[in-house]
Amino acid sequence: EAGVAQSPRYKIIEKRQSVAFWCNPISGHATLYWYQQILGQGPKLLIQFQNNGVVDDSQLPKDRFSAERLKGVDSTLKIQPAKLEDSAVYLCASSLAGYEQFFGPGTRLTVL
Amino acid sequence: QKEVEQDPGPLSVPEGAIVSLNCTYSNSAFQYFMWYRQYSRKGPELLMYTYSSGNKEDGRFTAQVDKSSKYISLFIRDSQPSDSATYLCAMSNSNYQLIWGAGTKLIIKP
Repeated sequence: EAGVAQSPRYKIIEKRQSVAFWCNPISGHATLYWYQQILGQGPKLLIQFQNNGVVDDSQLPKDRFSAERLKGVDSTLKIQPAKLEDSAVYLCASSLAGYEQFFGPGTRLTVL
Repeated sequence: QKEVEQDPGPLSVPEGAIVSLNCTYSNSAFQYFMWYRQYSRKGPELLMYTYSSGNKEDGRFTAQVDKSSKYISLFIRDSQPSDSATYLCAMSNSNYQLIWGAGTKLIIKP
């Protein structure tokens, strides 16, 4: 079974530029999550989708972050414009049922 | 005060030692308790989960939950260098949204 795929793996941008991350969840997983993980911290949930609907985006900084999940499968997370404090690893996870979430390798973003 | 507290370490032990990793929490509504392992430059992977109180064993790993004390533990027996990673505790109530600890970096010295 293929795992959660994410791209790119690494991205370096300057502040005020825009960036987009892509996630392909495990086939059949209805729930998709985007997390932000700052070095030395646990993952922080940014947004949760159930199929192509948003379940929770209460911690998504909506003035600069946006996310969509087209046709209930792939998802993209965008940051525009980026700030220095956005430097982090962005993790995508999917789940079929309940507590067990399967994570992709993450995208490491550096904002200069 | 954070909902989930976890000592970030690092915790360094010799190969073969018993490792004890712990988290405390404040929300009594949590029902599911999980331990994830995260290797460097990888995403977290589920190691063990426990529902409500009690112990659960899987090979060299034992997870314990004490809901009366709001305290969970992960024990690793006969630790190996390959166990070196960051261990994250995570908890959930009935909506399955995970609340994470900061992670403890574990180093097993050969």
